[in-house]
Amino acid sequence: GAGVSQSPSNKVTEKGKDVELRCDPISGHTALYWYRQSLGQGLEFLIYFQGNSAPDKSGLPSDRFSAERTGGSVSTLTIQRTQQEDSAVYLCASSLARGGDYGYTFGSGTRLTVV
Amino acid sequence: KQEVTQIPAALSVPEGENLVLNCSFTDSAIYNLQWFRQDPGKGLTSLLLIQSSQREQTSGRLNASLDKSSGRSTLYIAASQPGDSATYLCAGGSQGNLIFGKGTKLSVKP
Repeated sequence: GAGVSQSPSNKVTEKGKDVELRCDPISGHTALYWYRQSLGQGLEFLIYFQGNSAPDKSGLPSDRFSAERTGGSVSTLTIQRTQQEDSAVYLCASSLARGGDYGYTFGSGTRLTVV
Repeated sequence: KQEVTQIPAALSVPEGENLVLNCSFTDSAIYNLQWFRQDPGKGLTSLLLIQSSQREQTSGRLNASLDKSSGRSTLYIAASQPGDSATYLCAGGSQGNLIFGKGTKLSVKP
């Protein structure tokens, strides 16, 4: 597609349940990033994928969070045993490559509410 | 560790006014800088990207500059309009990841 697509746009889940968030990057973009934006806070880096390299997981807040990227394209962010503090907007971005002079294109995000 | 600060946190101006949003970063090793706009409940829209070899970029009524030596970037909005009301985020590219400021919430009154 022309842009970064995220689904679902909204997700309400009960505390303790697992959730999966999906990101479909721009075709040809090898770099894919997940960020989290909590209410009133800035964007927090979670994880990064570049081609077939091992992902940079340095931003994941706990081992309940994981992500994968299949075939160098679609990515899924999984949150296990969700907690109320996981409530946030989860944003995905893609770029032609990591670093360098390439801008990021963001999706519209998934608003996760844990009740 | 790179930190990005945006001042002011909020700004309210009358329509037609020219304004400047400020962004500062702690690590001068910043590679490039990107300004985004975020409307309530929406994702981020890229406004301007200043690449490593550049010092400013212009798009319509927007002009962004980058001074790595002082650790600052500014976003200039000319002849502001109510439709410019949004939160403006700056983000510095450093070692591959973008580090974001918390944004400036702009309100342009008709």
